[in-house]
Amino acid sequence: EPEVTQTPSHQVTQMGQEVILRCVPISNHLYFYWYRQILGQKVEFLVSFYNNEISEKSEIFDDQFSVERPDGSNFTLKIRSTKLEDSAMYFCASRRTDQNTEAFFGQGTRLTVV
Amino acid sequence: GNSVTQMEGPVTLSEEAFLTINCTYTATGYPSLFWYVQYPGEGLQLLLKATKADDKGSNKGFEATYRKETTSFHLEKGSVQVSDSAVYFCALSPGGATNKLIFGTGTLLAVQP
Repeated sequence: EPEVTQTPSHQVTQMGQEVILRCVPISNHLYFYWYRQILGQKVEFLVSFYNNEISEKSEIFDDQFSVERPDGSNFTLKIRSTKLEDSAMYFCASRRTDQNTEAFFGQGTRLTVV
Repeated sequence: GNSVTQMEGPVTLSEEAFLTINCTYTATGYPSLFWYVQYPGEGLQLLLKATKADDKGSNKGFEATYRKETTSFHLEKGSVQVSDSAVYFCALSPGGATNKLIFGTGTLLAVQP
């Protein structure tokens, strides 16, 4: 069964460093998302991506964040200069169409900023 | 605005007990409602969904009914199993071009044999 895969499963980084979280969405899907969950809090929407551009972003998704689909298969989230409060589980998701079809999620990347 | 509130956990039950996890929502317009489940070490999986008022979503013995009058989408199962132990997330999608999901905080369910 096709699935969304995320790497790495756990990333530890020093404050101020750049990190790139990687995702491989399901191959025939057109809509891509990043969500995050700070420990003990809600899963929060960060950004959606369609047709090689951001279609919506939350107020969390400031200039420190960027997304890219560099090669038609990977979908990456970059945090330019990490802060302690960026520590969270980051989930990638993909959806085939914009109708109410199921969003498929990856297993998540746990980012720890020290 | 749009938001989801679900009961806090953890919820601890014995095998074969009845399960209810409460979920209420606030939304403009006519959202779709979802329950996602996260088993240990895995990603979020769609458990069930309902796209309009009075719809009942069901899967693997779980059910939830979209109640517009009470803005609720409570998850129920008549007889839980140890294998149901997981974190359950209630979510809504307000629709629109991106169809993003707005999640509740998640409820940890632990089922004991």
